[in-house]
Amino acid sequence: DTEVTQTPKHLVMGMTNKKSLKCEQHMGHRAMYWYKQKAKKPPELMFVYSYEKLSINESVPSRFSPECPNSSLLNLHLHALQPEDSALYLCASSQTGIGYTFGSGTRLTVV
Amino acid sequence: AQSVTQPDIHITVSEGASLELRCNYSYGATPYLFWYVQSPGQGLQLLLKYFSGDTLVQGIKGFEAEFKRSQSSFNLRKPSVHWSDAAEYFCAVATNAGNMLTFGGGTRLMVKP
Repeated sequence: DTEVTQTPKHLVMGMTNKKSLKCEQHMGHRAMYWYKQKAKKPPELMFVYSYEKLSINESVPSRFSPECPNSSLLNLHLHALQPEDSALYLCASSQTGIGYTFGSGTRLTVV
Repeated sequence: AQSVTQPDIHITVSEGASLELRCNYSYGATPYLFWYVQSPGQGLQLLLKYFSGDTLVQGIKGFEAEFKRSQSSFNLRKPSVHWSDAAEYFCAVATNAGNMLTFGGGTRLMVKP
């Protein structure tokens, strides 16, 4: 298995909702990442997990809460989001920082 | 901190013509360099990567890139473009610690029939 799987592919949520994005990989990669990508812009790093521990938080608002339950799974919990948080959320994994593999993303719309 | 610049925001080429997309990086040591392609609404697909060794790197879909340390560049090339190559292309750099991938602003490639 050489893929990163993200679910759901599309998500529409209200500003008072709580939802979660899920990311899964079975390549044995020990680093996992969340990126946010706005339209016509490059991906921006949000969080890095290394060996299941949060190693980088790029000053992301607390309404985004990452979780790494095990070495194969990465979640992003969403609560009280704003319309400007609408974006493509990409998950990636890597082994010792080389050979990054990206998922196909979750298209999030906040209404 | 590392950074990446893609000077061309948009490029239009005719189908069958050659292509070169420019990428310049800033990093004190030898970086890890990547080119990714993204079709609308899709994730990122790795085209090729450079870590060390031969400075001319072959990738998928007929793409290649050349690492030039003296110019801090890692330009992407393809000898003959196909209509299906129309997409957004991102150059990216990682440090040798490798836990942060920094992207350039992207180049949107359009292909004329």
